[in-house]
Amino acid sequence: GENVEQHPSTLSVQEGDSAVIKCTYSDSASNYFPWYKQELGKRPQLIIDIRSNVGEKKDQRIAVTLNKTAKHFSLHITETQPEDSAVYFCAASLNSGGYQKVTFGTGTKLQVIP
Amino acid sequence: EAQVTQNPRYLITVTGKKLTVTCSQNMNHEYMSWYRQDPGLGLRQIYYSMNVEVTDKGDVPEGYKVSRKEKRNFPLILESPSPNQTSLYFCASTPTGGPHSPLHFGNGTRLTVT
Repeated sequence: GENVEQHPSTLSVQEGDSAVIKCTYSDSASNYFPWYKQELGKRPQLIIDIRSNVGEKKDQRIAVTLNKTAKHFSLHITETQPEDSAVYFCAASLNSGGYQKVTFGTGTKLQVIP
Repeated sequence: EAQVTQNPRYLITVTGKKLTVTCSQNMNHEYMSWYRQDPGLGLRQIYYSMNVEVTDKGDVPEGYKVSRKEKRNFPLILESPSPNQTSLYFCASTPTGGPHSPLHFGNGTRLTVT
């Protein structure tokens, strides 16, 4: 089955700096890569996603890049703010028996230091 | 408001005492799923359901049961809980479980089994 590795497990940055979280996946059939943000004590929520036919997607301060050949994708947060502090999960999704099976990475705890 | 509702939010129980965690969604979603979240392991799928009366095992189904008698409800049942089932549980749904469908998560249930 699919295996998703996520690095780093923890990340501390100064407010205003950029943060990068990297994920690799094993199954080349994966075709959808969502990123979820989980604030302390709350539910994971989708912040950005990318499909396999796209190499990069941006939404204000957040961007995701995908390298299908190398089977890795990354989340980039620019001009970080304290409210960006959270746990971030990457995921890879592939078609399995008529539905999309989602495999999550192990999470990155991002701390933005004011 | 469109949402996925889980109850209870917190549950402390003893080994072997049957319990049920309820999950309900008001978005008419066909696909529902249960995940457990453990430190360093990310989110792992327990069971999923493509529609009413259609359920299947995820990656970590041992010790759990589910049912889908109505479209909106997808309860998680632990017939004989054990301490290794102490975890944070999330219910999630998507419209069809089809391609490129982000998950909508409930607020989570923190279960402690002593």
